Amino acid sequence: NAGVMQNPRHLVRRRGQEARLRCSPMKGHSHVYWYRQLPEEGLKFMVYLQKENIIDESGMPKERFSAEFPKEGPSILRIQQVVRGDSAAYFCASSPHGYEQYFGPGTRLTVT
Amino acid sequence: QQQVKQSPQSLIVQKGGISIINCAYENTAFDYFPWYQQFPGKGPALLIAIRPDVSEKKEGRFTISFNKSAKQFSLHIMDSQPGDSATYFCAARTDNDMRFGAGTRLTVKP
Repeated sequence: NAGVMQNPRHLVRRRGQEARLRCSPMKGHSHVYWYRQLPEEGLKFMVYLQKENIIDESGMPKERFSAEFPKEGPSILRIQQVVRGDSAAYFCASSPHGYEQYFGPGTRLTVT
Repeated sequence: QQQVKQSPQSLIVQKGGISIINCAYENTAFDYFPWYQQFPGKGPALLIAIRPDVSEKKEGRFTISFNKSAKQFSLHIMDSQPGDSATYFCAARTDNDMRFGAGTRLTVKP
C-alpha cells in the first residue's frame, strides 16, 4: 500500500505566477488535509476536504488560495499570483476516517 | 490562536536517557492526541496516539501519559538513541481539523 504521494517535491515560481500542488491520498482514504510549514515552525492547518467537498477551510487565506478534491484524481492546492511570503513547505495528509493522519513528503515551494 | 502549547522548544539528552516532551491544550472538544516525528526534509510520521479515555499508552520505547483534568499530555522516550534525534510534534484533533504544537527539537548525544 503506497503512502501519500505529493508532487512536485520542489517547485520554484516567480512572483505573480500560479503554483499547483498535487496530493494523492493513500488507497481507501477519503479524508485529505493540507498544512503549511515554515522553517523551524510547526504545521498550520489550511483546509480539510472529503471527496468533492470542502469540509473546513478556516485555515486558508481568503484570497489567492483554493483547494479541491475531485471525484477522480488527486487533491489540488492552488496558489494564484504567488508572493515571496508563500514560500514554505506544504504537506498533505490523508486519513481513512478522520483520526490518524498520514503525511506525504511535502512540496517545497520557493517564490523568487 | 495557539490551542496546543508544547515544551521544551529544544531538548538534549544523553544516549540511554529518557526524553520527556510536554503539551497542554485548552479546547475540551479535542478527542484524539497524536505525536509525530519529523526528520529534516521529510514529512511528519505518526508515532503514537491516545484518546482521552485512557491515561497511558505504551508502544515499545514510546509512552504517552495523558492527564485529562489538567489538560496535559506528554511523550516519554525511554532508552533514547541517536537515531531518535528529530523534531517531535504533539497534536490534538477535533471534528474538522488537527492543531499542532510548535515542535520540540530533540538531540540525543552518543
